[in-house]
Amino acid sequence: DAKTTQPPSMDCAEGRAANLPCNHSTISGNEYVYWYRQIHSQGPQYIIHGLKNNETNEMASLIITEDRKSSTLILPHATLRDTAVYYCIVRSLNQAGTALIFGKGTTLSVSS
Amino acid sequence: EPEVTQTPSHQVTQMGQEVILRCVPISNHLYFYWYRQILGQKVEFLVSFYNNEISEKSEIFDDQFSVERPDGSNFTLKIRSTKLEDSAMYFCASSDRGRETQYFGPGTRLLVL
Repeated sequence: DAKTTQPPSMDCAEGRAANLPCNHSTISGNEYVYWYRQIHSQGPQYIIHGLKNNETNEMASLIITEDRKSSTLILPHATLRDTAVYYCIVRSLNQAGTALIFGKGTTLSVSS
Repeated sequence: EPEVTQTPSHQVTQMGQEVILRCVPISNHLYFYWYRQILGQKVEFLVSFYNNEISEKSEIFDDQFSVERPDGSNFTLKIRSTKLEDSAMYFCASSDRGRETQYFGPGTRLLVL
């Protein structure tokens, strides 16, 4: 699976949009971009994933660049409860049941 | 919304003892996983399980560890002869065959004294 690079930490004011970047310049054509978050040692929580089109769900939006070498997770109106470590993970779905490889992620701190 | 559950939430054991961590995956899921996270470190993959056999395992998952699906609902991780360095959060996850998104349980915090 391709390697990802994320900033170690980011701050965001409550109510503002949080834009979390991820670089995955070695991503291959059959690899998806997944985002998870972990709130204070709880189990990782799935947020969203995509292949090449932008995606939106009730939690967030995922913007993937046209060359697929980077992506941005957008939390449109961050709340204090969005304070967490956010992980960007690239993985192929060609082989079922394969591991998620977690990096250090981005620690997002939302403050009032 | 269906979710993965894990028991116990906390377990304290003496070094050398055996522990069994239990998980109930989401009911229609077919793939099951165990991960662990030592305090302050990254989440690490241990093992994946499908059709009653291990499909993938990491270097961490040595002979000390075993997994089992003893019935139609539970998925267990057994750690034989626990060591101090086994102290960690252990997370179970499951995924269905088609979409492959893994959903995690809340974890079991294991402390080996």
